[in-house]
Formats: sequence, C-alpha cells, structure tokens
Amino acid sequence: EAQVTQNPRYLITVTGKKLTVTCSQNMNHEYMSWYRQDPGLGLRQIYYSMNVEVTDKGDVPEGYKVSRKEKRNFPLILESPSPNQTSLYFCASSQGQGVVNSPLHFGNGTRLTVT
Amino acid sequence: DQQVKQNSPSLSVQEGRISILNCDYTNSMFDYFLWYKKYPAEGPTFLISISSIKDKNEDGRFTVFLNKSAKHLSLHIVPSQPGDSAVYFCAASYQYNQGGKLIFGQGTELSVKP
Repeated sequence: EAQVTQNPRYLITVTGKKLTVTCSQNMNHEYMSWYRQDPGLGLRQIYYSMNVEVTDKGDVPEGYKVSRKEKRNFPLILESPSPNQTSLYFCASSQGQGVVNSPLHFGNGTRLTVT
Repeated sequence: DQQVKQNSPSLSVQEGRISILNCDYTNSMFDYFLWYKKYPAEGPTFLISISSIKDKNEDGRFTVFLNKSAKHLSLHIVPSQPGDSAVYFCAASYQYNQGGKLIFGQGTELSVKP
C-alpha cells in the first residue's frame, strides 16, 4: 500500500531533550516536506526537500533540523525542544519536483507535547 | 502575516444543499491553488486544484472557482453529504519561482447535517 509513515504517533517529552520524528514514504517520491498544525494557524511548512541531499526552509524552520540522505526518509529533528513546539506534525511527499501538478500525500500525524 | 486566509472557522450545511468554502490570499505571485480535506486523526488528503490560467475547475461534486482580481477562491460542494464533514484547507503555491513552497490557510470545519 502506498503510504507516508510517521513515527511515533504520540510523543511527550521535556524541554531540551533531543528528539527525532521519522518519516518514510514507499512511493519513490522526490519531494518531501514537514508541516505543523496549530489551532487558528492552519498548516505551516517547516522544511521541504526537492530531492536527496537538497533541503530548504519553509515558513517556520526555527528550532528544527532535517536531513535527506535517502529518497524514502525525511526525519525531523528537534535538537532542544521547547514548549512552543508542542503541536501536531505532518510529513508529506509528492511525485516530481515540488507541489505543482503533484498533490501531496500526508502521513497520519505526530502529536508532540513538550513540557 | 497570513498570506492565505480562511475567515470562517466553521460552516454548517444541511445534507443535499450547497456548501461554499471561501479562501482569500494576499500575494499576487501565487499562481497555483489547492484544496485539501482532513478527517480527525488522519493526514490531509488532496481534493482539487486550479492553476491561475483558469477560473474554474470541476471534479464531480466539487468545483473550485478562482477570482484573480479579488484574490479569492472558493470551493463549492454540490450536493453536500454527511461524509463531506471534515476540515478543509486551501493552499497556494508559486508554480515557477518556488515550486516547493506551499502556504496553507487556517482551515474551515464543515459539518453536513443529515
């Protein structure tokens, strides 16, 4: 089954403790991206990657890191999480370069709570 | 600064009637627009899109209208069904300059009552 898989689905952590949210897609998509969803703000793009070893900042990249060493994986790293990073996170991928003419496929989300 | 705005957080419609969801944008550089639907505990799924060279795109019960001069787009669902109850996000992108960036609105929660 074609899908984007995020792990974990739920995560509670403490301020400053490094964490990684994994994202993997099995559709051989070139484009991958991370979003966070917050009440009243909708979905905001954190980072995106047009291809392996190519990553770019979205609108809210502060406090996050990503890497794209392989086509299928695009982990989101929080080196020193803070409470304002408490959010619902979505990973997404699409065929081809970018989001035009190629709809995003989203994972089911990771609910992160930082205390 | 919210470049894509959905000013109605929620909308309630009777089954069989038309649902109209609205979206406004501020950046005239946007030239590609999409609508996504999201059910609870799931990721958003693509619904329909439109390029700025068109003013209308239809797919079954779903039609998206684009008014470039007003920087406004709308999604019409006719007839509305209870299974359409979800949060709807509009999104905008730059087709040629920054193909990877996608800006979403805040979302509108649609409730279709039987």
